[in-house]
Order: sequence, then structure tokens, then C-alpha cells
Amino acid sequence: GDSVTQMEGPVTLSEEAFLTINCTYTATGYPSLFWYVQYPGEGLQLLLKATKADDKGSNKGFEATYRKETTSFHLEKGSVQVSDSAVYFCALRESNYQLIWGAGTKLIIKP
Amino acid sequence: EADIYQTPRYLVIGTGKKITLECSQTMGHDKMYWYQQDPGMELHLIHYSYGVNSTEKGDLSSESTVSRIRTEHFPLTLESARPSHTSQYLCASSQVPTDTQYFGPGTRLTVL
Repeated sequence: GDSVTQMEGPVTLSEEAFLTINCTYTATGYPSLFWYVQYPGEGLQLLLKATKADDKGSNKGFEATYRKETTSFHLEKGSVQVSDSAVYFCALRESNYQLIWGAGTKLIIKP
Repeated sequence: EADIYQTPRYLVIGTGKKITLECSQTMGHDKMYWYQQDPGMELHLIHYSYGVNSTEKGDLSSESTVSRIRTEHFPLTLESARPSHTSQYLCASSQVPTDTQYFGPGTRLTVL
């Protein structure tokens, strides 16, 4: 079945460092892809999404490009801040509209 | 900003008690979902609904039940809480055509 694999955390970076969180997927069809973020003690918020190959989602300085050839949707940010510390989840949406979730990657940004 | 609400935010309760976790959304979304999540870990779908009077079990076996009598309301009930039910419960909703899921703040349940 469909699945999502994320890089294991925690990922620890210094402020202003470049961030990449890897996400790869397996799917039989043409899923939509999502990144959600969960700040400490809160629910999940949609960060960005892409609905077809080569689409780039972007929000709050974060970007991810839907790469069908490598079945990837890696999350990037050029300069992270302490406030970016959170858990990041990659997900894909199947044709039946259910979300398949990655295990989450905890990001820790040190000042 | 998504308008989806969950109450209570935190609940500590003894074994054997019946509890209902509330979830309401004001966006008129047809689809609603319940997930179980240990803090910072993967989400597991336990129930979903595609509309009024429609409920289905998700991938993770759960002893909870749900109902969907009104579009905006999707409560989850545990008839007899056990320590193994200790977790965070997240409610979400979505609507075609985008079907983007919007999440509530969650209920953190502790069963003693």
C-alpha cells in the first residue's frame, strides 16, 4: 500500500542554518503531498502542499517540490529560526481522500 | 485560520469512566476525522465520517465510538476508559475539492 518515509529526528540546527527534511513516498496513483507542522502542545497546521508533479508548495519561507521521478517531497528552508522548532509531518492523500502520514521529524533550533 | 474546536483540551480521569471528547467545526465541512497520536509521534486514523449519519473505522483498532448527527459535530466516546487509552486525540475536517484537512488543538487524555 501507499506509504510515507521521513528522515528520523531529532534534527538539531543553529539559528540561520539551512534546513532539509527528507520525505519520500510510495503510491500507486498520483497523490497530493503535504507538509504539516505541530508546535509544542498544539494541533497540526498545514504548512504547504503540492497536488501534481513539479508543483512547488511554499509558506513562511519553507518550500517543497513534488518530484515524481524520485518520489520525493523534501522540505527546505534557507534560514531557520528558533520559532521553527516543532515536529514536521509529511503526508500523502490517497484517491479515497484519506491521509497517509510519515512518522514525523522533530526539529530543534538552537540560538 | 481553521475554525475547528475540541473540548476538553486536557482530561485526567480514572479507569472505568465513560468519557466523550467533543469536536465541532464551523466551516460546513462534510468530512471529519479522529486521530490518535502519542506526543510528537505518528498519527493514527481511528474514525472518519463523510457526512451526516456516516461513520467508519480507521486503520487503528479503537475501543471508541463516534456519531455524526449534525454536520458540525463529531464526538468520540469511550465507554470505559483504561490506561492504554492515554494519548492525544486530534480531530480534523475537510471539504472537496481541495480536501485539505484542518486540525483542532487536540485533547490530551490521561487515564489513571
